[in-house]
Amino acid sequence: ELKVEQNPLFLSMQEGKNYTIYCNYSTTSDRLYWYRQDPGKSLESLFVLLSNGAVKQEGRLMASLDTKARLSTLHITAAVHDLSATYFCAPSRGSGYALNFGKGTSLLVTP
Amino acid sequence: DSGVTQTPKHLITATGQRVTLRCSPRSGDLSVYWYQQSLDQGLQFLIQYYNGEERAKGNILERFSAQQFPDLHSELNLSSLELGDSALYFCASSVGGLNYGYTFGSGTRLTVV
Repeated sequence: ELKVEQNPLFLSMQEGKNYTIYCNYSTTSDRLYWYRQDPGKSLESLFVLLSNGAVKQEGRLMASLDTKARLSTLHITAAVHDLSATYFCAPSRGSGYALNFGKGTSLLVTP
Repeated sequence: DSGVTQTPKHLITATGQRVTLRCSPRSGDLSVYWYQQSLDQGLQFLIQYYNGEERAKGNILERFSAQQFPDLHSELNLSSLELGDSALYFCASSVGGLNYGYTFGSGTRLTVV
């Protein structure tokens, strides 16, 4: 069974600061996804990382993947309040396989 | 609108009852995945269907069952409901094959009282 560990689970940070969320997973995975969820809402796709060394950036968020270390990171640069949400990582064994989600990182950005 | 439609959005029912949740996947997507999200268990994969056939099972209870119909919509049946079944139930769909996108619906919030 593919186990996924995210840390931290809760993160309170000030606006303008930088921080990194870590996602470790237990077995070889073909790809890794990052999703964002606002309270009571659906999951919004942020990034799909398809290969070792993949790096993707969108605005203040940057995700990377190290398949050898079974580690993905989501880096937040100069946080703003609108980034407050829960972030999930989800490795997948490949196309057509179900996603296995971490417990999520609940991020609160304060003034 | 993600293209994945789930109905109903909210459902309140009593313990011991049975409910059916419905999911229409995005046009062209052959795979449907069901997930349960609760505060204590997080996002748990329940079951996957691909083009009408069961493809994979996750942490799905025996009281729960699902099917995918020829028009590719899927239904998740939850029976003998318990208080602990209260959760958000999400459906996601994907094309499968070389495509790597998974699209989630807006979810059904089930409250068992």
